[in-house]
Amino acid sequence: DQQVKQNSPSLSVQEGRISILNCDYTNSMFDYFLWYKKYPAEGPTFLISISSIKDKNEDGRFTVFLNKSAKHLSLHIVPSQPGDSAVYFCAASEFNTPLVFGKGTRLSVIA
Amino acid sequence: KAGVTQTPRYLIKTRGQQVTLSCSPISGHRSVSWYQQTPGQGLQFLFEYFSETQRNKGNFPGRFSGRQFSNSRSEMNVSTLELGDSALYLCASSLAEDLGYTFGSGTRLTVV
Repeated sequence: DQQVKQNSPSLSVQEGRISILNCDYTNSMFDYFLWYKKYPAEGPTFLISISSIKDKNEDGRFTVFLNKSAKHLSLHIVPSQPGDSAVYFCAASEFNTPLVFGKGTRLSVIA
Repeated sequence: KAGVTQTPRYLIKTRGQQVTLSCSPISGHRSVSWYQQTPGQGLQFLFEYFSETQRNKGNFPGRFSGRQFSNSRSEMNVSTLELGDSALYLCASSLAEDLGYTFGSGTRLTVV
C-alpha cells in the first residue's frame, strides 16, 4: 500500500514558466512533509519542507502548499530554470518514524 | 563541513555472496537511515539507527541487516545476494526529524 503517491512520472515545462509537482498521501497521521531533488549519480538533496500546522512555505523560487483536507501537497517552482531538471521526490513522516517517499517525478525544463 | 560519505560508490557482486556497505554521517548527526532505490520504486526504507540502536525497520527480509557504531558510522550488510538486490543504496543522516535528512551519494550495487 503506497502511502505517498506522485502520480505524474514526468513533467516538461518551458524555461521561465511555473513548474507544479503534485503529491498525495493517505496516512492522516503524517505531520511533516518534505521535497527532495535528485540528480543522476547523486543522493537526493533536501529542498523544502512544511509541517502540518502550516498550509504554505516559501523559499526563494520554491513554494510548497499543503491541503490537509485533501491530503495533497504541491511544489511550485517559479520561474523554472534548466538547472531545475531533476527527479523530485515527495516525502512524509510522523514524529520519530522514517520518511516515506513517493516514486518521484522527473522534471525537464526546456530552454 | 563534510557531508554524508558512503563507500564504496560502486560494487559488483555475484549471486549468493554477501556485501557490506559503509556510511559516515555528518559530524554530530546521531540518526542514520538506509534506503534502497530501484527504478520505478522510489526510495524504500530499510532501517534507521539512533545512538547505536535500531529505532525503525522497513519491510525487507532478514538478509538485510545493519548496525551503528559509537562514532555514529553505520554499516549495512546483505547476505545471500539475489539479482533483485541490484539497486542504489542510500544512507541519510539527520540532527532531528524536523530538519530534514542529508543523503550521501549512494552505493550502486550490481548483482550478477
